[in-house]
Amino acid sequence: GAGVSQSPSNKVTEKGKDVELRCDPISGHTALYWYRQSLGQGLEFLIYFQGNSAPDKSGLPSDRFSAERTGGSVSTLTIQRTQQEDSAVYLCASSWLGQATDTQYFGPGTRLTVL
Amino acid sequence: GDSVTQMEGPVTLSEEAFLTINCTYTATGYPSLFWYVQYPGEGLQLLLKATKADDKGSNKGFEATYRKETTSFHLEKGSVQVSDSAVYFCALSDEGSSNTGKLIFGQGTTLQVKP
Repeated sequence: GAGVSQSPSNKVTEKGKDVELRCDPISGHTALYWYRQSLGQGLEFLIYFQGNSAPDKSGLPSDRFSAERTGGSVSTLTIQRTQQEDSAVYLCASSWLGQATDTQYFGPGTRLTVL
Repeated sequence: GDSVTQMEGPVTLSEEAFLTINCTYTATGYPSLFWYVQYPGEGLQLLLKATKADDKGSNKGFEATYRKETTSFHLEKGSVQVSDSAVYFCALSDEGSSNTGKLIFGQGTTLQVKP
């Protein structure tokens, strides 16, 4: 079946502009995660959605970052007033129930470059 | 807080050599442990996992045993192939007080296998 998809695959933007990154999880998966992969920080958790529960936003690095998940499916990560340090690969993952024992399935990522 | 420490790379081996990549963790709860792999140009994918102490995860000739007494989850393979060249990430997901399944990753270990 279809895996996790993300768009765009690459995004180049100018400092100060806003960007939106999209994630389409595996159908039926109730949990959705965003992570960031950068040279300096490695792989770090950003935000977690599970069903209709309030999201866990504990990993968002600043209030310029926000995310939403509509209809329990597609998610959008928005970065406002982008900075050069936001340059990274943004990964989305989904899992069946969002429990510690679950396997997460990752998308191919969106490579963001802020000039 | 929870953390994962991996041996630093890069690791360079000849084909058919024995591989060990060390991984140790700290966790406050009852973590599940994972090895994810990122092949060149591809997304993160699960290699193997173990969800309780003394469990052994295995896949594609790779193995790792969940050792609670030494807080370790070392990855091993008896005979590596060129196709195993990739970046390997050790990760944990802690049930703790909030069973969200969010992953905490080690810094990644690059493996290069030469013919």
